[in-house]
Amino acid sequence: ETGVTQTPRHLVMGMTNKKSLKCEQHLGHNAMYWYKQSAKKPLELMFVYNFKEQTENNSVPSRFSPECPNSSHLFLHLHTLQPEDSALYLCASSGTRDLHTQYFGPGTRLTVL
Amino acid sequence: AQSVTQPDIHITVSEGASLELRCNYSYGATPYLFWYVQSPGQGLQLLLKYFSGDTLVQGIKGFEAEFKRSQSSFNLRKPSVHWSDAAEYFCAVGHSNDYKLSFGAGTTVTVRA
Repeated sequence: ETGVTQTPRHLVMGMTNKKSLKCEQHLGHNAMYWYKQSAKKPLELMFVYNFKEQTENNSVPSRFSPECPNSSHLFLHLHTLQPEDSALYLCASSGTRDLHTQYFGPGTRLTVL
Repeated sequence: AQSVTQPDIHITVSEGASLELRCNYSYGATPYLFWYVQSPGQGLQLLLKYFSGDTLVQGIKGFEAEFKRSQSSFNLRKPSVHWSDAAEYFCAVGHSNDYKLSFGAGTTVTVRA
């Protein structure tokens, strides 16, 4: 595997379900990001982790819970979501030598029923 | 706070014709500037970036962009588009104080035969 991978690519869940999104980067980077992409809206930064420490929580509701066990893996735990949470969730990473350049995964298309 | 404006929501261009996508930003200092492309159902792919130096930067897939400080612009160009260039294009701005990016709302490019 190369670059940034995300699983699953598609997820349909009910409002009472608990699910998790997984992101893995194979680039040796130290910073990882979760974004939400909704139709006709700019990308919304949700969380930032740098060296496994959360450095940014952009006023995200608590029904979204991130986890970064190491610099290569990032999870987004989901529970009691709302239909308006349906979106494409993108993971990205960047490296110490060039923190500003982010590399994105293919995203997880989430549908909340 | 920095912001990014992509004035064109949708552009239609004929195959083989030239393409220019506009991006304007607001930021006090010299920004870090990026263009990303997103094909349907995919993540964002980095096309090119500008940090400093030559204001005309070359990217992948035959794209180039020019940084114009006086106009706070970073427009993307391609001399001759291919059908495979149909996608959504995002301009992004970062600044030296942190490594977060602000994204524009995107421009959708349609290529007609």
